[in-house]
Amino acid sequence: SQQGEEDPQALSIQEGENATMNCSYKTSINNLQWYRQNSGRGLVHLILIRSNEREKHSGRLRVTLDTSKKSSSLLITASRAADTASYFCATDEGAGSYQLTFGKGTKLSVIP
Amino acid sequence: GAVVSQHPSWVICKSGTSVKIECRSLDFQATTMFWYRQFPKQSLMLMATSNEGSKATYEQGVEKDKFLINHASLTLSTLTVTSAHPEDSSFYICSPLRAAGEQYFGPGTRLTVT
Repeated sequence: SQQGEEDPQALSIQEGENATMNCSYKTSINNLQWYRQNSGRGLVHLILIRSNEREKHSGRLRVTLDTSKKSSSLLITASRAADTASYFCATDEGAGSYQLTFGKGTKLSVIP
Repeated sequence: GAVVSQHPSWVICKSGTSVKIECRSLDFQATTMFWYRQFPKQSLMLMATSNEGSKATYEQGVEKDKFLINHASLTLSTLTVTSAHPEDSSFYICSPLRAAGEQYFGPGTRLTVT
């Protein structure tokens, strides 16, 4: 079932600007992950944040998690044209269940 | 990082034929395999979960007799779409689980049924 809901569904920005994507979910989670997918290609894992973490950084990526609001955000700073892709959040509920529930995704277009 | 391959990467078949998609974890063993389906401009939907040597567990709405999953070894899982129809046209992605929480994704197989 689709648990995560990303917004916006589509985002178009100029190169160099920051891009912020949000994800909301419904049930309790163990981990939340962000993935990137170029058109017609497989998924690339970006970052994992655990339910007891509030913020995580990786290069130009910053992820926050607010479990009280059941939401997460992905910030890409100083965007590049190569960042153009679809971005998905995915959650797992832990307790031995590792299957991921994906959000609907945000399609990011970075204009050179 | 772990390497996962899928074969074929794309396939076109006629309605009524069956198509087999292979997923291999090349440098690790996967006791659990997830199969996802992704329709154009949509997100990934979990189809089924399989554990090596046992029957797959299918998500609601996924026909187990139509989507046959075999997970005979720790490095190979196959998904067979039987009697494919145009509505089965989709992007199929396997996802082997290496260890607790270490889930990887194959590059996907684009199936087009004419």
